[in-house]
Amino acid sequence: RKEVEQDPGPFNVPEGATVAFNCTYSNSASQSFFWYRQDCRKEPKLLMSVYSSGNEDGRFTAQLNRASQYISLLIRDSKLSDSATYLCVVDDNQGGKLIFGQGTELSVKP
Amino acid sequence: NAGVMQNPRHLVRRRGQEARLRCSPMKGHSHVYWYRQLPEEGLKFMVYLQKENIIDESGMPKERFSAEFPKEGPSILRIQQVVRGDSAAYFCASSRLASGSFDEQFFGPGTRLTVL
Repeated sequence: RKEVEQDPGPFNVPEGATVAFNCTYSNSASQSFFWYRQDCRKEPKLLMSVYSSGNEDGRFTAQLNRASQYISLLIRDSKLSDSATYLCVVDDNQGGKLIFGQGTELSVKP
Repeated sequence: NAGVMQNPRHLVRRRGQEARLRCSPMKGHSHVYWYRQLPEEGLKFMVYLQKENIIDESGMPKERFSAEFPKEGPSILRIQQVVRGDSAAYFCASSRLASGSFDEQFFGPGTRLTVL
C-alpha cells in the first residue's frame, strides 16, 4: 500500500465547476497535512495546510478525518488558472520529511 | 528575500559521469531537504540536512549518491557514475524551524538531470 494515495486523474472540468480530490494516508502517527500545487513540473507550492477542524481559503476547502486517515480538497467555481497537479502531502512524524502522493491532474476548460 | 536557489537548472551528463547539484536555502533557513521526481511520478524524499549534519538519509540510494551541507556555501547533492535511471527532476527545499514544530518547506525551481 502506498504511503499517500490520491485519486488517479486527470480531472477535466468546465469553468465554474466544483471539483473534489480525495487522499488517504497510511501512517496514523502523521501530524501535519498539506495540499501542494505543482504547475507543469515546476516546483511544488503550498496551497494550504489541512486541520482536523477543516479550513477554507477562498474557493478552496480542505478537510481531514484522522479516524479514516482521509484528506480532501474541494475547489469551488473552478478557474482556468486552477489547472495544475494537486499533491496531497503528509509528514512522517519522525523528522522534517514530507511524503507526497503521486498527484492528481486537474484541467479546467473554457 | 530571495527564495531557494538551485543550480544548474538543467544538467546533461553521459552515463558514468558525475553530477553535482547545488542548493542555496532561503535566508535564515538552516534545514535543507532533497527530493527526487522521476518522470510521471510523485516527489520522493531523499535526504534531510542541517549545517554540517545529515539528519535523515533514509531515502538516499545506497550507492553513488551523497549529500552535504557545509558550514559555508550551498548544499550539494552528488551523483557518481550516473545511469539513465537517474534522469529526473531534483528539488531542494528549505525550512526555518526544526522538525517537531513543523514549518513550511519552500521549494527551489529544481534541477532537471538528463543522462544520455
